Amino acid sequence: DGGITQSPKYLFRKEGQNVTLSCEQNLNHDAMYWYRQDPGQGLRLIYYSQIVNDFQKGDIAEGYSVSREKKESFPLTVTSAQKNPTAFYLCASSSIQGAATEAFFGQGTRLTVV
Amino acid sequence: GDSVTQMEGPVTLSEEAFLTINCTYTATGYPSLFWYVQYPGEGLQLLLKATKADDKGSNKGFEATYRKETTSFHLEKGSVQVSDSAVYFCALSENTGNQFYFGTGTSLTVIP
Repeated sequence: DGGITQSPKYLFRKEGQNVTLSCEQNLNHDAMYWYRQDPGQGLRLIYYSQIVNDFQKGDIAEGYSVSREKKESFPLTVTSAQKNPTAFYLCASSSIQGAATEAFFGQGTRLTVV
Repeated sequence: GDSVTQMEGPVTLSEEAFLTINCTYTATGYPSLFWYVQYPGEGLQLLLKATKADDKGSNKGFEATYRKETTSFHLEKGSVQVSDSAVYFCALSENTGNQFYFGTGTSLTVIP
């Protein structure tokens, strides 16, 4: 089945560590996105990419990094510079061909700093 | 810039009650509009969408009509069920640029 897969579902990080969240899609979508969701809040865009080897900062990119070496994959690294990383992270993808191309979401990764 | 404003929650309804969740938007062009649903601990799922003015999106008894004159896309359902308890997000996407703008979400709880 086509879809978008995030792993792991739960992740624990010690203070000062970098961690990488995985996002893979087999929908042949060009665009991929990372969002952060905090309790009771909406989605905030961290980074997005519309083509391999290119990506743009979103509204809250500080303390995060991404890569887009393959069309299918868009991993997110939460660095030690991110002061408050505990949150629910959502990856999404969309086609860029035509109108009304909705975003498809993964199941999310819940990151907790311990 | 583009933005979406939706009704603040939480909303609590009895089973079989009528649901309305308000959503208004600001956009520079002619966006597509979406409603997503999120169940606890999960990602967002597309509920319905509309691509142009006066289009009506519908799915699983939910409906929303794209109203350009009032820049609105209110979500409605005639008779809610306990299983509809979730958080609902209104969103827009300009047809160029492929960026999505989400509202802050409205939590709905349906009690038996």
